[in-house]
Amino acid sequence: EVQLVESGGGLVQPGRSLKLSCAASGFTFSNYYMAWVRQAPKKGLEWVATISTSGSRTYYPDSVKGRFTISRDNAKSSLYLQMNSLKSEDTATYYCARHVPFAYWGQGTLVTVSS
Amino acid sequence: DIQMTQSPSFLSASVGDRVTLSCKASQSIYNNLAWYQQKLGEAPKLLIYNTNSLQTGIPSRFSGSGSGTDYTLAISSLQPEDVATYFCQKYYSGPTFGSGTKLEIK
Repeated sequence: EVQLVESGGGLVQPGRSLKLSCAASGFTFSNYYMAWVRQAPKKGLEWVATISTSGSRTYYPDSVKGRFTISRDNAKSSLYLQMNSLKSEDTATYYCARHVPFAYWGQGTLVTVSS
Repeated sequence: DIQMTQSPSFLSASVGDRVTLSCKASQSIYNNLAWYQQKLGEAPKLLIYNTNSLQTGIPSRFSGSGSGTDYTLAISSLQPEDVATYFCQKYYSGPTFGSGTKLEIK
């Protein structure tokens, strides 16, 4: 059974950093592109980042480019999202998902950016 | 950037009704379209991919169609458990989601 389990969310002040993790199991992690998708409270879904199987290629929308960094450790079947210079508009539940289409999602981890 | 527009934003229908949800792209996305169902408090679930391919385990009352810029999700006979918000997503030239259609039972 495919499982994706996010962790690392919490309350953080504007301008600070936070790193999210996603532990994958039930499939050969190194064979798949992976992604982060977020959802602000009572809002829609927004793709945040994608990483290739080896980690050599990464993709971001303009809204997070230069602030967020996606990475992976295939030996640990783990996905990461380093978020720097956080803003209030980054407040959301962050999901990791197997790319694309996103057939498998984690349960999400809530990030709240507030002073 | 290709924009995705869903309509209607809100839909109320009766159990047993046939329901159709629309998703329009600002330019052709060459059938690279998926539909997701999100129930309250849950992660999204993939229903349809490649415009009309049913994801494993999804009931056959769900179907997808379309081409070019115009796509549709149909539910042939609405069930109470279908209450959810439905999002379309294109994955041609990067993933972008529509704003969603909230479906309720009348």
